[in-house]
Amino acid sequence: AQTVTQSQPEMSVQEAETVTLSCTYDTSESNYYLFWYKQPPSRQMILVIRQEAYKQQNATENRFSVNFQKAAKSFSLKISDSQLGDTAMYFCAFMKLLNYGGSQGNLIFGKGTKLSVKP
Amino acid sequence: NAGVTQTPKFRILKIGQSMTLQCTQDMNHNYMYWYRQDPGMGLKLIYYSVGAGITDKGEVPNGYNVSRSTTEDFPLRLELAAPSQTSVYFCASSYGTVNYGYTFGSGTRLTVV
Repeated sequence: AQTVTQSQPEMSVQEAETVTLSCTYDTSESNYYLFWYKQPPSRQMILVIRQEAYKQQNATENRFSVNFQKAAKSFSLKISDSQLGDTAMYFCAFMKLLNYGGSQGNLIFGKGTKLSVKP
Repeated sequence: NAGVTQTPKFRILKIGQSMTLQCTQDMNHNYMYWYRQDPGMGLKLIYYSVGAGITDKGEVPNGYNVSRSTTEDFPLRLELAAPSQTSVYFCASSYGTVNYGYTFGSGTRLTVV
């Protein structure tokens, strides 16, 4: 069974600095997808960034980038120039294909990392 | 464009009561999902649907039922509520390909006392 582990329950960073959130996963599949979701106090789940396992190039979205190490099964999130609005829970997620096949799947989440950005 | 709408936002149930959590999406997504999020944990899949009339169990389906009579609606039914069902419930939908990801509703906080 696939598992996702986030080893940092809480982290803090000063505004404008860079922070890296860790995520490791376990799977025997060769093709899969990885995601980072943000959950602010409003409770809304917001997609931050996604990575296809078959792509060697690390995904980037503005101030957010990932370090994807497939052999090590590691998928860390780097937030540059941290802003107060980045304060939230961050969830790493692995996508497993559903029973009906196709290209959609079930998201398997880690327990999350609570990030606080301090002024 | 409302996206995924969940009602109610909060609810307190007594043990043994039943209720239905409503979920509606206006994006014509084929795939819909129900997740629960327990305190300090990530989300776990309860049930999902790949289209009207087709549903299947996820990781934690016990104590719940679903139906999907239309593309837009995917209600989650709790029968005989138990304290272990105290959680935040999220509905989500997706277009059907991974590249589009999921769209989540804002959640329902349910307390069973």
